[in-house]
Amino acid sequence: ETVLTQSPATLSLSPGERATLSCRASQSVSSSLAWYQQKPGQAPRLLILDASNRATGIPARFSGSGSGTDFTLTISSLEPEDFAIYYCQQCSNWPRTFGPGTRVDI
Amino acid sequence: EVQLLESGGGLVQPGGSLRLSCAVSGLTYSSSAMHWVRLAPGRGLEWLAGITASGANTFYTDSVKGRFTISRDNSKNTLYLQMSSLRTDDTAIYYCARGVSGAYDYWGEGTLVTVSS
Repeated sequence: ETVLTQSPATLSLSPGERATLSCRASQSVSSSLAWYQQKPGQAPRLLILDASNRATGIPARFSGSGSGTDFTLTISSLEPEDFAIYYCQQCSNWPRTFGPGTRVDI
Repeated sequence: EVQLLESGGGLVQPGGSLRLSCAVSGLTYSSSAMHWVRLAPGRGLEWLAGITASGANTFYTDSVKGRFTISRDNSKNTLYLQMSSLRTDDTAIYYCARGVSGAYDYWGEGTLVTVSS
């Protein structure tokens, strides 16, 4: 099973600041990595697929990078609605797996 | 408008069974791979099972293999998850999701399954 590790576990920032979230895979997943945002009581929302492609309707302040085993999600300038939990997910190997999440707090 | 609507959740005793359904509208269901994902209390997202568009191939995570069965009815635009031998640690919100390029672009709002005596 491909294990995903996310860091940090919690990121405490203010609106307007830059957020950098990391996801590391236990084996190469090429570029088959997605990022999701989840808020309490809501379903996850797809942000990034194929490591760096924004999903439909996702603002340009969200960007993804990386390949192989190391990936980054960057939020260039945090908006109040961006405070949430962010998960990475690998789409390369079965079983599919998610990382444990990074909570972005105010 | 795309809609995925889960149903069938509820309270069940340990060792019991439950069948979840996911009714899909607004997209070409018969061309879409589908998946089940859950969110347990105090834990993160966990992918459970996936099924190809035709239903010919299914995939499971180890923790549910042999206990859960994913299936679909393309004539009814509906996805299913048959769950048996339920354990207390299966308590979670269960989501269905559409797969695209391996990621999940459309999600239902989830259905709560509580396993407790």
